[in-house]
Amino acid sequence: RKEVEQDPGPFNVPEGATVAFNCTYSNSASQSFFWYRQDCRKEPKLLMSVYSSGNEDGRFTAQLNRASQYISLLIRDSKLSDSATYLCVVNFRGSGNTGKLIFGQGTTLQVKP
Amino acid sequence: DTEVTQTPKHLVMGMTNKKSLKCEQHMGHRAMYWYKQKAKKPPELMFVYSYEKLSINESVPSRFSPECPNSSLLNLHLHALQPEDSALYLCASSQDIPGLVDNYGYTFGSGTRLTVV
Repeated sequence: RKEVEQDPGPFNVPEGATVAFNCTYSNSASQSFFWYRQDCRKEPKLLMSVYSSGNEDGRFTAQLNRASQYISLLIRDSKLSDSATYLCVVNFRGSGNTGKLIFGQGTTLQVKP
Repeated sequence: DTEVTQTPKHLVMGMTNKKSLKCEQHMGHRAMYWYKQKAKKPPELMFVYSYEKLSINESVPSRFSPECPNSSLLNLHLHALQPEDSALYLCASSQDIPGLVDNYGYTFGSGTRLTVV
């Protein structure tokens, strides 16, 4: 089983649609959770951190369910500029004082006019 | 300065060449990372430096040799690479290591696109 799993898509949606991405992770000791966005041939950029209480940033809402080891990202009122790959990222705590971020394979979103 | 700067942006090298990738940040971040990303795949962790010391090596072949000369610089020395090593090499930094203080995301550089011929 992969450490972080996402549906790769692609998700093809019209402008203005609401779209939701899901992600599951295998390590119950994971501490931190993020959504990153990556445009074609560009580096990943942090979109938002994810908290159990849920957090919202404009049209984007992220949610964490620790019991189910499940993370979600909701995008409302999709824009053409939202077209990108969305990467679910989880911190795996290692031995001692180490940790590392592990990336899911990404979900591709294409917003069409 | 909120950037991670990587040079060069593109590199073509032969299998017998020796080259180095460079990464620099001036955000006072104490953790720096090398990731490798193949087309249509997620970034894969290669190395983690924490406070200028190598803390994680993800079983990377010895033809890749990281170096952290100081808290702002991270190098990746390349020698005798194979064509399958062609990829986008991403450097990242974070204020501290995930696991010590949580909810620190990474800032990525724009990457070096490496082609081995």
